[in-house]
Amino acid sequence: NAGVTQTPKFRVLKTGQSMTLLCAQDMNHEYMYWYRQDPGMGLRLIHYSVGEGTTAKGEVPDGYNVSRLKKQNFLLGLESAAPSQTSVYFCASSSPLSGHPYEQYFGPGTRLTVT
Amino acid sequence: AQKITQTQPGMFVQEKEAVTLDCTYDTSDPSYGLFWYKQPSSGEMIFLIYQGSYDQQNATEGRYSLNFQKARKSANLVISASQLGDSAMYFCAIENSGGSNYKLTFGKGTLLTVNP
Repeated sequence: NAGVTQTPKFRVLKTGQSMTLLCAQDMNHEYMYWYRQDPGMGLRLIHYSVGEGTTAKGEVPDGYNVSRLKKQNFLLGLESAAPSQTSVYFCASSSPLSGHPYEQYFGPGTRLTVT
Repeated sequence: AQKITQTQPGMFVQEKEAVTLDCTYDTSDPSYGLFWYKQPSSGEMIFLIYQGSYDQQNATEGRYSLNFQKARKSANLVISASQLGDSAMYFCAIENSGGSNYKLTFGKGTLLTVNP
């Protein structure tokens, strides 16, 4: 049982390049989330999904797109990376039917640098 | 909109002593949940403790307890008998249980340093 995994762990992009971050969970959770963490800002929600085929915007969605084609995977895309998107990205999943009520289980994070 | 305020950017405590990390929140929802997460220097987010808005008693999990004062909208984390391994960032978060998406809103965190 791997929990929540994220690929890649580190990435350096040039401004204007695109990339996709992959999040996978093996806990059969319905809900999945993407956050970004910047120094002094805590975690902020980018996008989330309450089920396969559904996505919704969070607090800071601009510049990102997401897809949830399979229940276990949640993809975060950057179409044209900007230096302001330099951050640590965390994926999380949860289910009201498992464990502590509404506890979110986090992946290890992806450190992205845009130069 | 929900908001979490953690007013202590950094805290220091001596090993084996207790420490309180402050958290105040703002929400208009009658039903909500409060979480504390720990983030050590290795970066992972570790769930510590949960308090539901309708829970009659303060939550406890081992050395962690939550001082929940609903009228004051505060949910302070108390760590008893601090250990060197408790040195980390601590985040308070609120979740809207009344909704259907269980989103978390995080505070900016408190960096706890435990001195030997």
